[in-house]
Amino acid sequence: SDELTQPPSVSVSPGQTARITCSGDALPKEYVYWYQKKAGQAPVMVIYKDTKRPSGIPERLSGSKTGTTVTLTISGVQAEDEADYYCQSADSSGTSPLFGGGTKLTVL
Amino acid sequence: QVQLVQSGPEVKKPGASVKVSCKPSGHTVTNYYINWVRHAPGQGLEWMGVINPSGDFATYGQKFQGRVTMTRDTSTGTVYMEIYSLRSQDTAVYYCARGEADSWGMDVWGQGTTVTVSS
Repeated sequence: SDELTQPPSVSVSPGQTARITCSGDALPKEYVYWYQKKAGQAPVMVIYKDTKRPSGIPERLSGSKTGTTVTLTISGVQAEDEADYYCQSADSSGTSPLFGGGTKLTVL
Repeated sequence: QVQLVQSGPEVKKPGASVKVSCKPSGHTVTNYYINWVRHAPGQGLEWMGVINPSGDFATYGQKFQGRVTMTRDTSTGTVYMEIYSLRSQDTAVYYCARGEADSWGMDVWGQGTTVTVSS
């Protein structure tokens, strides 16, 4: 089905590692992008084409893919990482983009 | 520095139309696709459609077909997104975002335009 499934929320303490997953049937053949969205601000791309990091994004953010699941990993979580994170890929026909439902990362 | 600058907030009544603009600075608009994505209160990001670099082709999400039109003025570099027959569920922040021909990633985003639909 043309859906990207994310957990609604993830909570971690500062300094720990946060892992946010995104699952979808089309993911093995489509690139995945991750966006960080803070309240009142525009989304920011933090990972593109599954694993690549745009200029200016900290190295502690990384992306990986295994089959139908991709994972955004944030190592050494900081308070500033608290945000909503969205995965994005394409539908099964590859003709339009699709967003996951978003995951709220809470830094305890 | 590449930026997308959007028009200001709008308040509309149900049934009206709204036209939001997106003007790039720091790069040539004709080189890039422009997507529109909205974020309604309490909801996730929702892709609405995309217009190609020359402005002669746009494709829309199924939910928005027939109710949204995207255009671009190649002389000024400004891209427009118009929504017709507004309803309260269209209350959202609307973003334009730059894309490329070979991928669906969106690497530069406008600051967002709040559209409020209320009687």
